[in-house]
Amino acid sequence: DTEVTQTPKHLVMGMTNKKSLKCEQHMGHRAMYWYKQKAKKPPELMFVYSYEKLSINESVPSRFSPECPNSSLLNLHLHALQPEDSALYLCASSQVPTYEQYFGPGTRLTVT
Amino acid sequence: DQQVKQNSPSLSVQEGRISILNCDYTNSMFDYFLWYKKYPAEGPTFLISISSIKDKNEDGRFTVFLNKSAKHLSLHIVPSQPGDSAVYFCAASETGANNLFFGTGTRLTVIP
Repeated sequence: DTEVTQTPKHLVMGMTNKKSLKCEQHMGHRAMYWYKQKAKKPPELMFVYSYEKLSINESVPSRFSPECPNSSLLNLHLHALQPEDSALYLCASSQVPTYEQYFGPGTRLTVT
Repeated sequence: DQQVKQNSPSLSVQEGRISILNCDYTNSMFDYFLWYKKYPAEGPTFLISISSIKDKNEDGRFTVFLNKSAKHLSLHIVPSQPGDSAVYFCAASETGANNLFFGTGTRLTVIP
């Protein structure tokens, strides 16, 4: 299994809603990542978990809250988002240490 | 400050010909480089990588060349096929780091 899955594929939420994005991999990877990608821009790193511990937080606002319940799962909890947070949210995983990251298909988030 | 740059936003190539995608970087600490391919509404797919101890890596129709002195790498696709039409991102990392720095992408169109 060389797949990273993400749910949901699309999400529309209001600025007062609370929602969660989910990511799962069964490749035995011990590093997992959240990226944000706006149109015509490269993916921007948000968070890195290594061995289920948060190792990098790229100064992301607290309205984004990551969680890594186990080595296969990664969640991103969303609360009180702004319209400018609308983007494609990508999850990735990799071995530790390695450089090749494997990406999921992303969740297209629209904040209204 | 963009540490990885792809100065050509788009490239059109005839089917069967060579596609050359270019990438420049500014951080001399980068020692591992990757190319990803991205179709619309999908996550980036890992294509090929190269370590700074090499100057060339080949995988089927894809070859990556690294010129460390010029801080430049390129991806050659020979022969180009219509299915290669996608956005190509180069990415760079340094030993011990968990994050990738992505370029802005080049949209390749292969004309049948």
